Amino acid sequence: DTGVSQDPRHKITKRGQNVTFRCDPISEHNRLYWYRQTLGQGPEFLTYFQNEAQLEKSRLLSDRFSAERPKGSFSTLEIQRTEQGDSAMYLCASSFERHTTLNTEAFFGQGTRLTVV
Amino acid sequence: AQKVTQAQTEISVVEKEDVTLDCVYETRDTTYYLFWYKQPPSGELVFLIRRNSFDEQNEISGRYSWNFQKSTSSFNFTITASQVVDSAVYFCALSEADTGFQKLVFGTGTRLLVSP
Repeated sequence: DTGVSQDPRHKITKRGQNVTFRCDPISEHNRLYWYRQTLGQGPEFLTYFQNEAQLEKSRLLSDRFSAERPKGSFSTLEIQRTEQGDSAMYLCASSFERHTTLNTEAFFGQGTRLTVV
Repeated sequence: AQKVTQAQTEISVVEKEDVTLDCVYETRDTTYYLFWYKQPPSGELVFLIRRNSFDEQNEISGRYSWNFQKSTSSFNFTITASQVVDSAVYFCALSEADTGFQKLVFGTGTRLLVSP
């Protein structure tokens, strides 16, 4: 098991372009989370999936953001018409939850650092 | 509303000193989890500990120890005999039953610098 894998590690894009990030969770982890972390701040929750279903989205996730997790395996996060304010580290995490009321630790990937110029 | 406060932005110590990182949380929920994560320069968040709201026993793991006090809504983290490899940003986080434990609310982190 290689842990949570994110690709790319770094992305520089011009304002207005679309970008897509990929996250491969730990095998058989049924929950997958996306967080965003700006410089000097803690990670902020964006959205999460239980298997292939996207069950919650933060207000931080504007209409330009879309996330998918086809077949409950890897996930993609797409940002359309990027803005300079989108520059941040995008972190993916996964966990295995056997019960809805149990919260085990989430394992994080190394993140994708996005710079919008 | 839930909130996690880490008032210490940066702490500098010399190797072998003990250091305590403070964490104060706010929640209206009676069932919640508290976490500590370490973020080294590589960027990956490394899980250190999870504690549920019904377990106030302090915990020790090697050089790490945690002091959970519901009376003061604090979950402080102490590193004994610090080492250079402990240099990182440390985050305290909260997860609540009200939100189905679906997300972590993080503090702003404390950067720990351990010099030789």
